[in-house]
Amino acid sequence: DTGVSQDPRHKITKRGQNVTFRCDPISEHNRLYWYRQTLGQGPEFLTYFQNEAQLEKSRLLSDRFSAERPKGSFSTLEIQRTEQGDSAMYLCASSSEEAGAYLFQYFGPGTRLLVL
Amino acid sequence: QKEVEQNSGPLSVPEGAIASLNCTYSDRGSQSFFWYRQYSGKSPELIMSIYSNGDKEDGRFTAQLNKASQYVSLLIRDSQPSDSATYLCAVILTGGGNKLTFGTGTQLKVEL
Repeated sequence: DTGVSQDPRHKITKRGQNVTFRCDPISEHNRLYWYRQTLGQGPEFLTYFQNEAQLEKSRLLSDRFSAERPKGSFSTLEIQRTEQGDSAMYLCASSSEEAGAYLFQYFGPGTRLLVL
Repeated sequence: QKEVEQNSGPLSVPEGAIASLNCTYSDRGSQSFFWYRQYSGKSPELIMSIYSNGDKEDGRFTAQLNKASQYVSLLIRDSQPSDSATYLCAVILTGGGNKLTFGTGTQLKVEL
């Protein structure tokens, strides 16, 4: 059972560029979450999918952010017109539908974004 | 008031001692609580969950929950240098669906 994987692990971009991150959850985990973490802070929730349905979005998620999970497997997070304030670690987590286990969120290694 | 609060530390303990990490939360209706460990530059790793008042033990780790006082703690017995990390408290708030609300984390340093 492989863990959550994320790609790329690091991304450096210039302000105003678009970036896209990918997350592959643990196989058979139907719930997928995106969080953002800045230095010295805990992760902050961005959005959540159950299968292919995006069920919740944080108010932190401006119109420049969009996330998809088209086939209920991997997910992508796109940031358009990046700003320096978008620099952070973007974390993906997944959890199982199984009773008693759906609350256990397992995190991937993260994508570290630096906007110059 | 922040929804989940932790002392940022660092908390320094000698090797072999008990490390006590504390977390308070503002939402009295919260039911699910988690502790994650995060090494520098790495992602959070789930180590404990607790839902009922009292203690829950798993190896060297004990989670304690007191809903009346709205605090949750993590005890690490026989602390090892490899336990040096940031410990994040996470709560699922009432009406929060499945999303985790994290504290800022407490940095633990276990000294030789």
